[in-house]
Amino acid sequence: GQNIDQPTEMTATEGAIVQINCTYQTSGFNGLFWYQQHAGEAPTFLSYNVLDGLEEKGRFSSFLSRSKGYSYLLLKELQMKDSASYLCAVRDSNYQLIWGAGTKLIIKP
Amino acid sequence: ETGVTQTPRHLVMGMTNKKSLKCEQHLGHNAMYWYKQSAKKPLELMFVYSLEERVENNSVPSRFSPECPNSSHLFLHLHTLQPEDSALYLCASSHGGEETGANVLTFGAGSRLTVL
Repeated sequence: GQNIDQPTEMTATEGAIVQINCTYQTSGFNGLFWYQQHAGEAPTFLSYNVLDGLEEKGRFSSFLSRSKGYSYLLLKELQMKDSASYLCAVRDSNYQLIWGAGTKLIIKP
Repeated sequence: ETGVTQTPRHLVMGMTNKKSLKCEQHLGHNAMYWYKQSAKKPLELMFVYSLEERVENNSVPSRFSPECPNSSHLFLHLHTLQPEDSALYLCASSHGGEETGANVLTFGAGSRLTVL
């Protein structure tokens, strides 16, 4: 079966750095997405990786290793507003999106 | 505001009721989706419409009935639901069906459904 694994919950301190991991086992690969979802709000797109390597976008970076079936989302200079759930999703060979259950990130002062 | 609007935001219904969820997008997208989000579970794709044609129906019970009258509007009609159907129902839209490029989804804020 197809599977996306990510930690259920993480806690970090304001101003610090946190890395949220995502491992996947899918039938083929056509890209990996990260979305952010604040409580009671819509998930919003953060990043898309289809080739190996690091994509940087301001305080957020996303890394992909296709050979390892692994990605991470790196958040730097954490702010209280970064408290949210982070959803990892992979598009398989049929272009179906397979979703992880999300990682709830709690930022403490 | 994401450009995808869902109403109502909250809905409580009995098992014998009939209600509808509405989704409207102002982004010029031609594909629309219904997802179910339950606590601590992955998003479950329910239905996909591309150019107003249903292209996906992931074995969803018939008590959920979608309707897409045009490319900007999507409905989910609910009938004789079960308590386990209580969840957040998310609508999303994109430029194409799931097979198109990066195909980033734009989500609405969801309709929180409670079935008593």
